[in-house]
Amino acid sequence: GENVEQHPSTLSVQEGDSAVIKCTYSDSASNYFPWYKQELGKRPQLIIDIRSNVGEKKDQRIAVTLNKTAKHFSLHITETQPEDSAVYFCAPWNQGGKLIFGQGTELSVKP
Amino acid sequence: DTGVSQNPRHKITKRGQNVTFRCDPISEHNRLYWYRQTLGQGPEFLTYFQNEAQLEKSRLLSDRFSAERPKGSFSTLEIQRTEQGDSAMYLCASSHQGRRNGYTFGSGTRLTVV
Repeated sequence: GENVEQHPSTLSVQEGDSAVIKCTYSDSASNYFPWYKQELGKRPQLIIDIRSNVGEKKDQRIAVTLNKTAKHFSLHITETQPEDSAVYFCAPWNQGGKLIFGQGTELSVKP
Repeated sequence: DTGVSQNPRHKITKRGQNVTFRCDPISEHNRLYWYRQTLGQGPEFLTYFQNEAQLEKSRLLSDRFSAERPKGSFSTLEIQRTEQGDSAMYLCASSHQGRRNGYTFGSGTRLTVV
């Protein structure tokens, strides 16, 4: 089946620093690559996504980059703020028609 | 439309009992997904529907689990003879096939089996 791995599993940064989370996947047919943010006790929420015909997408302080050849994509958060503290999941689209979630990265932004 | 709605929010049941959860998706979404999430893990795929057709069921899913979406709108997930290992957050999500957008998740039903 599809194998999705995220690194690191935990990440602690100082407020204002950048954070990068990497996701590797195995399904070469994947063509849609979202990132979800989940705050404690809440539902996962889509924060940014990218399709396989582009290499990078930005939305204010967050960006996603895709290397389809190497089968990985990354989430970049610049100028981190305490409210960015959450668990982040990558979830590449599986050719079977569903998202397969990584195990999550817990980001802690220290003021 | 207020998004994806799940009921109940919490369920505590004794081992061996049956439980049923309900999910009401966003009305124009024809795909509906069920996931299970345990503490410290990512959501794990259970099953999904396109309209009323159940298109895939996870191989990891026990025969005690069954889901329906009889009219292509709301869906129910039933767990028979619950076990302590079934304790988890059960998440429902919906999307529109063809738009290839991310899911919209409901708030989930937290099941505790005692």
